[in-house]
Amino acid sequence: DGGITQSPKYLFRKEGQNVTLSCEQNLNHDAMYWYRQDPGQGLRLIYYSQIVNDFQKGDIAEGYSVSREKKESFPLTVTSAQKNPTAFYLCASSIVSGTESTDTQYFGPGTRLTVL
Amino acid sequence: AQSVTQLGSHVSVSEGALVLLRCNYSSSVPPYLFWYVQYPNQGLQLLLKYTSAATLVKGINGFEAEFKKSETSFHLTKPSAHMSDAAEYFCAVSPSINDMRFGAGTRLTVKP
Repeated sequence: DGGITQSPKYLFRKEGQNVTLSCEQNLNHDAMYWYRQDPGQGLRLIYYSQIVNDFQKGDIAEGYSVSREKKESFPLTVTSAQKNPTAFYLCASSIVSGTESTDTQYFGPGTRLTVL
Repeated sequence: AQSVTQLGSHVSVSEGALVLLRCNYSSSVPPYLFWYVQYPNQGLQLLLKYTSAATLVKGINGFEAEFKKSETSFHLTKPSAHMSDAAEYFCAVSPSINDMRFGAGTRLTVKP
């Protein structure tokens, strides 16, 4: 089955530690995204990538880093510089058709990060 | 910048009643509009998408939404609510690729 997987489902981190969230897709999508979700605030874009070895900052990139070494994978690292990292993190992907001004984003199941 | 406003953070309906979730967008040109549904501790699932082909868009699970340019609205409706519809619903606008703006979400509760 094609889809997006995120692991782990739940993650606990001690303050001051870096942690990496995994996102893998087998949809052959070119673009991948990371969002942060907080209660009552909707989704906010952290980083996105349209192509391997290239990525762009979103609205709230501070304290986060990403890499895109393979088309299928877009891991997110939450660094100790992120002041309030406890949140639900969602990964998404989309094709880049070039024929529409936008393409539908498909989401993974999410990772809930809790900082202790 | 384009934005989305969802009126009502929480909507409660009885099973079998009409569901109406409101979404207004700010845009000077017709954007691409989406409705997503999220069940607890899960990712977002696409319900439907407006791409200017038709103003009334039919989605999954019996939901539909109507694009009204004069009202800058894209409200989501379902004629008869089912218990399984209880979830959080997000309206989103996308003026261009890699730029999707989400509303704050509306939590739908369905009473038996």
